[in-house]
Amino acid sequence: NAGVTQTPKFRVLKTGQSMTLLCAQDMNHEYMYWYRQDPGMGLRLIHYSVGEGTTAKGEVPDGYNVSRLKKQNFLLGLESAAPSQTSVYFCASSRRGATNEKLFFGSGTQLSVL
Amino acid sequence: GESVGLHLPTLSVQEGDNSIINCAYSNSASDYFIWYKQESGKGPQFIIDIRSNMDKRQGQRVTVLLNKTVKHLSLQIAATQPGDSAVYFCAEILFQKLVFGTGTRLLVSP
Repeated sequence: NAGVTQTPKFRVLKTGQSMTLLCAQDMNHEYMYWYRQDPGMGLRLIHYSVGEGTTAKGEVPDGYNVSRLKKQNFLLGLESAAPSQTSVYFCASSRRGATNEKLFFGSGTQLSVL
Repeated sequence: GESVGLHLPTLSVQEGDNSIINCAYSNSASDYFIWYKQESGKGPQFIIDIRSNMDKRQGQRVTVLLNKTVKHLSLQIAATQPGDSAVYFCAEILFQKLVFGTGTRLLVSP
């Protein structure tokens, strides 16, 4: 049972490049989330999904897009990367909403945008 | 120079001591609180949670105390071990939103 798996673990981009971060969970969870973690700040929600085929904006959605075509996968895309998007990105999932129970997190993706 | 915001509060303890990590939350309307542990290079991991209708909840070697009067949450770790070294942060549910704190770094020396 792998839980929440994120790929890649590390990536370096040049400004303007695009990339997709993949998150997969094998717990049959309905809810999935993308967070970013920056020094001195708490985790901030980028986008989330309450089920297959649905997505919604979080606290800091600008510059990111997401898709949830399959229940087990949640993709985070950066169409034109900017240095401000240098961060550690975490995917998480939960059986019910995050306001009702704990989240299960992946191990993170360290992204640097030069 | 470095930003002060980059430095997390740090609690240093000796192996075997009890640790107390504190968290102040923002709003008396918050009704659900969670503690997470984050080891270096890993994602956050659930430790324990508590709802606002409780004052105390115990797990294995951990206890969470909730003081609603002063809007304060604490995590107590008994017989702290080197493997407990990590960043600990609390999260609160406020108006149906999950809000994470910035964390406290726990350093355990043998």
